[in-house]
Amino acid sequence: GAVVSQHPSRVICKSGTSVKIECRSLDFQATTMFWYRQFPKQSLMLMATSNEGSKATYEQGVEKDKFLINHASLTLSTLTVTSAHPEDSSFYICSARTGGGRNTEAFFGQGTRLTVV
Amino acid sequence: AQSVTQLDSQVPVFEEAPVELRCNYSSSVSVYLFWYVQYPNQGLQLLLKYLSGSTLVKGINGFEAEFNKSQTSFHLRKPSVHISDTAEYFCAVSRASNTGKLIFGQGTTLQVKP
Repeated sequence: GAVVSQHPSRVICKSGTSVKIECRSLDFQATTMFWYRQFPKQSLMLMATSNEGSKATYEQGVEKDKFLINHASLTLSTLTVTSAHPEDSSFYICSARTGGGRNTEAFFGQGTRLTVV
Repeated sequence: AQSVTQLDSQVPVFEEAPVELRCNYSSSVSVYLFWYVQYPNQGLQLLLKYLSGSTLVKGINGFEAEFNKSQTSFHLRKPSVHISDTAEYFCAVSRASNTGKLIFGQGTTLQVKP
């Protein structure tokens, strides 16, 4: 199956700094990528939809100036958490969609554990 | 808008026993239905999906699920579980017109005991 790689898998940063998370589709072109956030023992909440070459679409309640998303190529989307605070600590997961039509499937990265100290 | 409800937050079961993880959904438009498994500190792995056709869907690792439109349910079953099935399971829906954008249920922790 298609492979989505997320980097880094774990990151610890100081409060007030910014951190970038990369999501790469390794063996397919992903016109659309999705970013999710997962709090401990909770479900995944969609943060934004990232389309190659255009601005990301953010879900209600997600601060677009805090969570910057860039989808500069068909294989790479990045999520930058700006001016991170401890409450931003979470598990961030991306997924990438291949192709189109009814059999389109989203493949997930392995996630990034962000800890802000 | 779509929503998903997983009725059980935790399901303890003994090894080799059958298990059912329940999922109900709500939507005013056609949807696709999915079950994912998540092991600790890892991403999601697709177990199975329902797009159309036969309401009984078979997936990986011996899991299967049945789509019931009248009851708006998509329960996950396995006839005999293993210790290695211990994980978090998520039911999810997507609009048929916007696949990939998933709405997840709250998750069910399956605890398989020896």
